[in-house]
Amino acid sequence: GQNIDQPTEMTATEGAIVQINCTYQTSGFNGLFWYQQHAGEAPTFLSYNVLDGLEEKGRFSSFLSRSKGYSYLLLKELQMKDSASYLCAVKDSNYQLIWGAGTKLIIKP
Amino acid sequence: GAVVSQHPSRVICKSGTSVKIECRSLDFQATTMFWYRQFPKKSLMLMATSNEGSKATYEQGVEKDKFLINHASLTLSTLTVTSAHPEDSSFYICSADRGGPTEAFFGQGTRLTVV
Repeated sequence: GQNIDQPTEMTATEGAIVQINCTYQTSGFNGLFWYQQHAGEAPTFLSYNVLDGLEEKGRFSSFLSRSKGYSYLLLKELQMKDSASYLCAVKDSNYQLIWGAGTKLIIKP
Repeated sequence: GAVVSQHPSRVICKSGTSVKIECRSLDFQATTMFWYRQFPKKSLMLMATSNEGSKATYEQGVEKDKFLINHASLTLSTLTVTSAHPEDSSFYICSADRGGPTEAFFGQGTRLTVV
């Protein structure tokens, strides 16, 4: 079966750095995506990795290791508005998105 | 980024009535559209995948006669919740895909409340 694992909840302090991990087992791989979702809203796209390595975009970076089936999302200089759920998703061999359950990130002052 | 418009954003309907939700890709042609349902504090649950001009593919456990999906054009898909019941109350989200290894674009979501 296809499976994506990520922690259910994480807590971090404003101004700090947090890393959200994601491991996956899918039928084929055509890219890994990170989305942010605030409560009651649709997900918004954050990043896309298809090759191994780190992709940096402002305060957010995403890393991929295809051999390990592993990715992480790194958030720096945390702000209160970063409190949200972070969803990891993988496109499989049919280009269908397989979703993780999401990680709820709580930012404390 | 591409824009996907979903309408309505909120709807309250009486039990037994039907509700139609529209999903439009405004500036690109979506080869595939996806319909998701999300319960509070839960992840997205894929309900069905629709390709323009063909019947939707429903996920296991999703009643196709209850959740009617029409994908009449490359820019419009609709989800009709028929004979709605309170247990159908949920957050419904559509997404549109241009195909291949690109990100999916989401509509704003529809909060359905059945009373």
